[in-house]
Amino acid sequence: EPEVTQTPSHQVTQMGQEVILRCVPISNHLYFYWYRQILGQKVEFLVSFYNNEISEKSEIFDDQFSVERPDGSNFTLKIRSTKLEDSAMYFCASKPVTEAFFGQGTRLTVV
Amino acid sequence: DQQVKQNSPSLSVQEGRISILNCDYTNSMFDYFLWYKKYPAEGPTFLISISSIKDKNEDGRFTVFLNKSAKHLSLHIVPSQPGDSAVYFCAASERNTDKLIFGTGTRLQVFP
Repeated sequence: EPEVTQTPSHQVTQMGQEVILRCVPISNHLYFYWYRQILGQKVEFLVSFYNNEISEKSEIFDDQFSVERPDGSNFTLKIRSTKLEDSAMYFCASKPVTEAFFGQGTRLTVV
Repeated sequence: DQQVKQNSPSLSVQEGRISILNCDYTNSMFDYFLWYKKYPAEGPTFLISISSIKDKNEDGRFTVFLNKSAKHLSLHIVPSQPGDSAVYFCAASERNTDKLIFGTGTRLQVFP
């Protein structure tokens, strides 16, 4: 069964460093997303991406965040200068039309 | 701003009995609702959804009920199985928007 895959599963980075979280969405899906879940809190929407551009973003998704679909398969989330409060599980998701399918997540720890 | 609320953080049910997970929402613009299941160290897995034009949707052991006037939905699992033990998230979206608004989740434990 096709699935959304994310790498790495765990990333530890120093505060102020840049990180890139990678995702391979399901191949025939058209819509791509990043969500995050801070420990003990709910899953929060970050950004949606369709037709090679951002279609919607939350207030969390400020200038330190960017997304890219550099080729036909990968979808990346870049955090330019990480802060301690960026520590969270980051989930990539994709959908064909209706229901979103999520990856297993990348745990980002900023120290 | 909790637009989607799951007021029960946990639920414990005996195997074979019915599990009922509840979700309330405040945004009357929501028109699509979903339930996701999440195991530790995994991403949310889609379970079942319902459009606001319906009041019930059934898929095997899972049934979702929507009461628009009460802004309430529920997920029924019957019969419950130990493998159903997970955290269940309710999520909602508005028409013409992509983003899902999640509840805080309910941890279901099904014991033998």
